[in-house]
This record gives sequence, structure tokens and C-alpha cells, in this order.
Amino acid sequence: KNQVEQSPQSLIILEGKNCTLQCNYTVSPFSNLRWYKQDTGRGPVSLTIMTFSENTKSNGRYTATLDADTKQSSLHITASQLSDSASYICVVSAILTGGGNKLTFGTGTQLKVEL
Amino acid sequence: ETGVTQTPRHLVMGMTNKKSLKCEQHLGHNAMYWYKQSAKKPLELMFVYNFKEQTENNSVPSRFSPECPNSSHLFLHLHTLQPEDSALYLCASSQRRDRGPLLIYEQYFGPGTRLTVT
Repeated sequence: KNQVEQSPQSLIILEGKNCTLQCNYTVSPFSNLRWYKQDTGRGPVSLTIMTFSENTKSNGRYTATLDADTKQSSLHITASQLSDSASYICVVSAILTGGGNKLTFGTGTQLKVEL
Repeated sequence: ETGVTQTPRHLVMGMTNKKSLKCEQHLGHNAMYWYKQSAKKPLELMFVYNFKEQTENNSVPSRFSPECPNSSHLFLHLHTLQPEDSALYLCASSQRRDRGPLLIYEQYFGPGTRLTVT
């Protein structure tokens, strides 16, 4: 069964600190992995997309890593800011036989950055 | 107006009402999607439209009826909903650049409509 599991479920850190969010997946065959940031009451916004051949990708203070062998990804946030408080969602895309594909969403990690 | 817009942002309706959600994308994309996001659950893909044609319906109850009159507009018509249908309904769009499977392309989401069914 295709699954995406994220940990921790929630996290509270102090402003200026770094943190790492985890995503483990069993989705196969793998096409790409995305990290989204979703502010409360808003739609998700894409942070990174990584394909099989990429094992790290940065977007400002956000750095995503991918280990396709162990089927794990992480999102590292550097020098956190209050505006980083949001839900971070991991999404894995699989290509299906016959040419279709499927997205599997994680439940997200709720991050709160405090003063 | 840029990106993906959704109206209304909030909607409260009774179980016997009929209402519609509207989505408009200003990105020139050719595919649009409806998602349901319930508390503590992953996003659920409901419908996929590619060049105005519905290509996916993920076993969504018939009380949800999508309509895509053109590549820029997507509607979700609601009737006789249940309280468990209360959720955030998100619209997204994407641009298919080649003949690859549609869902591999990056999706851009609207702000969502918070629906409460009483």
C-alpha cells in the first residue's frame, strides 16, 4: 500500500533555531517528491520538487534531501523565523502502469516557531 | 489578479441547500483539480480536469458535482451535503508540458473554501 508518513506530527522551536522534518514513503514506482508549506487557512505552497536523481535541493532557508534507496526525505529549516510557523506536507508522486500517476500526501508536520 | 483564486472563502450551508464553489486560475495552465482537506487527514484528490475534460474521479459521492467550462474556471456544485463533508476545499492547477502523466507536474493551490455543513 502506498503511504507517506511524516514525523514529528508537531514541533515547537525557538526563533533562530534550526529544525529537520522527516518523511518516509513506501510509494512505488517513484516519480518525484515534493514539500509544501501550508499556512493556516491558506492553500499549500510548493517549496521543492525532487526527482529520483536529485538528493538535495535548496530554496532559501529550506533544504530538502532525498534518499531514494531508503525512501526517506527530510526538510531542514535554517535560522527559523516566526513566519515559518505552518504545516509542512510531504507529497510523493508514483507513475502507474499504463501511464497514469498518483499523488500520495502525508498528514503534515505542524511547526510552531516561538520567540 | 494572479495565481489561483477561490470564492467564497467561507461557506456555511444546511444539508438541504445547493451551493457552488468557484475556482479561477490566471496562470495559463491546462489542468485543474479539486481537493478535500479534513482536519488531521491528508489531502484527498477529488477530481482532475485536463483541457476541460474530467480525467479522474476518485470515488467522490454524487452530491459533489464538478464543472469545468474552460481551462481557467472550475466549479464544484454542492447539494444535500452531510456534516462530515465539512472541510477545506482546495483548487489547484498545473501545466502539462509534454505527454507525461498529468500528476507529475507541479501544482499551484488556491487559498481554499472553508465549508461548514450544519
